[in-house]
Amino acid sequence: DVKVTQSSRYLVKRTGEKVFLECVQDMDHENMFWYRQDPGLGLRLIYFSYDVKMKEKGDIPEGYSVSREKKERFSLILESASTNQTSMYLCASTLTQGRTSGDYEQYFGPGTRLTVT
Amino acid sequence: QKEVEQNSGPLSVPEGAIASLNCTYSDRGSQSFFWYRQYSGKSPELIMFIYSNGDKEDGRFTAQLNKASQYVSLLIRDSQPSDSATYLCAADSGGYQKVTFGIGTKLQVIP
Repeated sequence: DVKVTQSSRYLVKRTGEKVFLECVQDMDHENMFWYRQDPGLGLRLIYFSYDVKMKEKGDIPEGYSVSREKKERFSLILESASTNQTSMYLCASTLTQGRTSGDYEQYFGPGTRLTVT
Repeated sequence: QKEVEQNSGPLSVPEGAIASLNCTYSDRGSQSFFWYRQYSGKSPELIMFIYSNGDKEDGRFTAQLNKASQYVSLLIRDSQPSDSATYLCAADSGGYQKVTFGIGTKLQVIP
């Protein structure tokens, strides 16, 4: 019943390191997302992708980049990790059936808790 | 700044009661609205999606949308202790892909 998986549940990195977070979905969803979740700030969109090799910035893209070389895989890259990037990172994928059908399918991965020291 | 506002709670209701969770949004252009349930230490789970004014029911859950008042609510009938979680409201802000989340309301169902 695995739907969205993330490469690590917990990760500890040092300031300045390059960090890769991977997300894989097995539902053939076209859209994939990276969010971070912080207490008091809620979920905030970092980047999303609506197709292979396509990406769009979300609300807080600074300090991050993404890669989507295959439909099922969406990677988040922290080019040079900083302490303010300590957070819970959540990947999600969605399948939009169309507004008139009333269907919208979305699943989140289990999250990666990243600590940057 | 497009915003989705929720009272962070906690909202406490007795078992068997109706829990009413509320949310307002600032972007009049928002078309689609979402409710998620998030248990402590877990990732969010989509439980309701609504885009038409009025009510949408799914089991014990009813989502209500009033676009004129920019107001979305979630009613949980016959609340159970297992419903204790944080409920996130979200609204699209540029299509399905860009969704703005509220900070969530923590619900506690008291046995």
